[in-house]
Amino acid sequence: DVKVTQSSRYLVKRTGEKVFLECVQDMDHENMFWYRQDPGLGLRLIYFSYDVKMKEKGDIPEGYSVSREKKERFSLILESASTNQTSMYLCASRVLGVSYNEQFFGPGTRLTVL
Amino acid sequence: AQRVTQPEKLLSVFKGAPVELKCNYSYSGSPELFWYVQYSRQRLQLLLRHISRESIKGFTADLNKGETSFHLKKPFAQEEDSAMYYCALMVGNNDMRFGAGTRLTVKP
Repeated sequence: DVKVTQSSRYLVKRTGEKVFLECVQDMDHENMFWYRQDPGLGLRLIYFSYDVKMKEKGDIPEGYSVSREKKERFSLILESASTNQTSMYLCASRVLGVSYNEQFFGPGTRLTVL
Repeated sequence: AQRVTQPEKLLSVFKGAPVELKCNYSYSGSPELFWYVQYSRQRLQLLLRHISRESIKGFTADLNKGETSFHLKKPFAQEEDSAMYYCALMVGNNDMRFGAGTRLTVKP
């Protein structure tokens, strides 16, 4: 079974703080993704990484950055948290290849920015 | 632009009734479509993909290229089907676009 874990289930931070969300997968997947999930808006892609040290912007990268120094770990960074970044954050990983496009999701981190 | 539209935010049916969750897409290439499901307090997981032409938990979905639709259907809904359902479109080799989701409630 693929395991995707996220460092925290719930996180409360203050406006202006630097926030790190960590994601680890144990199946040697090349692709990793960060989404935010908001009611009525579904999942929106923030960033994805198709390999170590590679990253691509998704639909809503503003206010976020990412880091992928090791294949199994993909970090999402909020340089200066703002209240409109209060959301559920989902990490996902996927094995590369035409036949294997299933994304495996972590449990999510519910971030509240006060 | 690549887009996935799920027109219903909420859908409520009685147990044993047929259910159809709608999904329309906009994509100029050959689409690869998925349905993902999130049960209460569980992580998002793949339900089915069009390329496999499979039936999972009694659900099926047929790709209709003429209508650019990929509706999810089940002839007899069960209470345990209550969940959030997302339609997703694979764009290129890396990008997955999700719809806004439909919350299905199956009443006893």
